Parts: sequence; C-alpha cells; structure tokens
Amino acid sequence: LAKTTQPISMDSYEGQEVNITCSHNNIATNDYITWYQQFPSQGPRFIIQGYKTKVTNEVASLFIPADRKSSTLSLPRVSLSDTAVYYCLVGDLERGSGNTGKLIFGQGTTLQVKP
Amino acid sequence: NAGVTQTPKFRILKIGQSMTLQCTQDMNHNYMYWYRQDPGMGLKLIYYSVGAGITDKGEVPNGYNVSRSTTEDFPLRLELAAPSQTSVYFCASNSPGGKDQPQHFGDGTRLSIL
Repeated sequence: LAKTTQPISMDSYEGQEVNITCSHNNIATNDYITWYQQFPSQGPRFIIQGYKTKVTNEVASLFIPADRKSSTLSLPRVSLSDTAVYYCLVGDLERGSGNTGKLIFGQGTTLQVKP
Repeated sequence: NAGVTQTPKFRILKIGQSMTLQCTQDMNHNYMYWYRQDPGMGLKLIYYSVGAGITDKGEVPNGYNVSRSTTEDFPLRLELAAPSQTSVYFCASNSPGGKDQPQHFGDGTRLSIL
C-alpha cells in the first residue's frame, strides 16, 4: 500500500487559496488519490478523488502531475469553517479486481484558517 | 438517508470488560471498515470486510474481533478491554468500482477504558 506524506500543519487567512501537497512516491498503477476532511468529533468526509491530471468539484480542485508521485489539494477562498484536518489517501479501488479497497490514513494536515 | 450508523456514541469500560461496538449501513455497500483514532493522530485501520462472511486484519487488529454475517452490519468486539484501547472508533463503508466510490464514515464511538 502506498504511503503518503503531508505537512503536519498549515495556516491561512480567510479568502486565500490554500494548496496542500501530498507525496506518494510508490503509488501503484491502479491506485486512486482521495482527499478527506475531518472536523473535531466527526468522522472524515469525502472531498475529492482523482487518478491523473486535474479534477474539480464544487468545493476543491485536485492536481496530479504526470508521474502521479504527488498531488495537490486546492481550496479556493477558504473560510473559517474550512479549519479542519485534511487527509490524503492512496488506494486501489479497481472495479471487479477483488482487491480490498483498503485505504491507509496518514496523520493528515491540520489547516487553521484565521480571520 | 441514515448512511453509516454507529452505536453507542460514548462508553466507559473498566479494564477487562468486554463490549461490542455496533455499525450498520443502509447503502448496500460491500466493503466495511473499522478504524481507531487516538487524540491528535490519524485513523488506523483495525479490520475490514469485503463482503458478508469475509473479514481481514488491518494495521492494528490485536485485541479486537469482527464478524460480518450480513451486508448491513459489521460489529467490532473488544474481549478484554485495556487502557490502550481508549480511542475514538469509526466505522466506514463503500463499494468497489473505481472512481467516485469514497468511504462513508459514521460519527464515531468514543470509548474510554479506566
């Protein structure tokens, strides 16, 4: 299973764009990259998932270079409510492969948004 | 839409006691997982299941047992509670199938062992 490395913490101010980079040097061919957000006393919540290049949804963008050894979660114009822990996960969820879909969480990045 | 439901939300146990943490999902997901999260740390996988009747160990299985008799339920059993098992326990589920199949998490069970 691919191991991920993220910064332990980051600070930002309201209205700024935040980019959190995750390293996953031994990512496998079938692995997807998934980001979760976790608020205190809650379970993690799915933010975005991608395989290569760029993925965008209503809350974030995910940039994945061609070698897929890293990925960057981009949060546009953060607000105080974006203060949370962000986890990058790499795992194999290939359809019909019989694989486990087992995902390993790292320590995550604690994002603190200041007014 | 209930999603993943965990019970109880809080529990205090004495050393050596046993208990079962319940987890049920109503999304017909094949895969289910149990994680523990210690204060200030990320989640560690305890056990997981890819379908009814199939379970496998994760990163930290010692001291725990699981069963998966139905698609909906995935209980976690602590047989002899130890202080090191004080943690927040999260259950999750998903279905295999490539992209856009993220795990859905419950709200957790906060367990203290004294």
